[in-house]
Amino acid sequence: ETGVTQSPTHLIKTRGQQVTLRCSSQSGHNTVSWYQQALGQGPQFIFQYYREEENGRGNFPPRFSGLQFPNYSSELNVNALELDDSALYLCASSLGGIAGAGEQYFGPGTRLTVT
Amino acid sequence: KQEVTQIPAALSVPEGENLVLNCSFTDSAIYNLQWFRQDPGKGLTSLLLIQSSQREQTSGRLNASLDKSSGRSTLYIAASQPGDSATYLCAVWPGANSKLTFGKGITLSVRP
Repeated sequence: ETGVTQSPTHLIKTRGQQVTLRCSSQSGHNTVSWYQQALGQGPQFIFQYYREEENGRGNFPPRFSGLQFPNYSSELNVNALELDDSALYLCASSLGGIAGAGEQYFGPGTRLTVT
Repeated sequence: KQEVTQIPAALSVPEGENLVLNCSFTDSAIYNLQWFRQDPGKGLTSLLLIQSSQREQTSGRLNASLDKSSGRSTLYIAASQPGDSATYLCAVWPGANSKLTFGKGITLSVRP
């Protein structure tokens, strides 16, 4: 049991809509990373938050944005949804920096379908 | 740019067989490497993490090795079981304030 939870489990949205996905980090972890996993692919890094500040971003457009809260829960927001945004969205929590040695603990994911 | 490759994409073996899953990466400047298991439609479960200073890690029937200089890691599964059927992904971490870079995974099917 990793202790990382995500909600909702599944979500269906229409192209052009906006969506918010939520993640609750493992207790004590101050870093959260979000990944997008398309079918048959490995997870792709979206961005990382450390102590409520964005701390690295992958090759995703600005319509992908995030927030991290003082209790280390976080949100991923996606505006103007496109069909290609259909994927499994994973969050992972970890201790920041070398102290955490990069070991990340993943949640069960949110399956987003855009029609 | 770091690239992680896992070949083959799929593997089918009879129950009881010992098997090796391969992972290669292009940039040897990594801090650690992690092997994950993913069941269909589910999140990732961490199996083993190998620090760059280590050569291998073991957990039960699983053994992972790391050869940083050649950019390779292997995951050895002993006496495979149908319950081992899943996708196995490896990921490398370059260091602080960095991202995990994943391979596409190897989908393993263990036949009873």
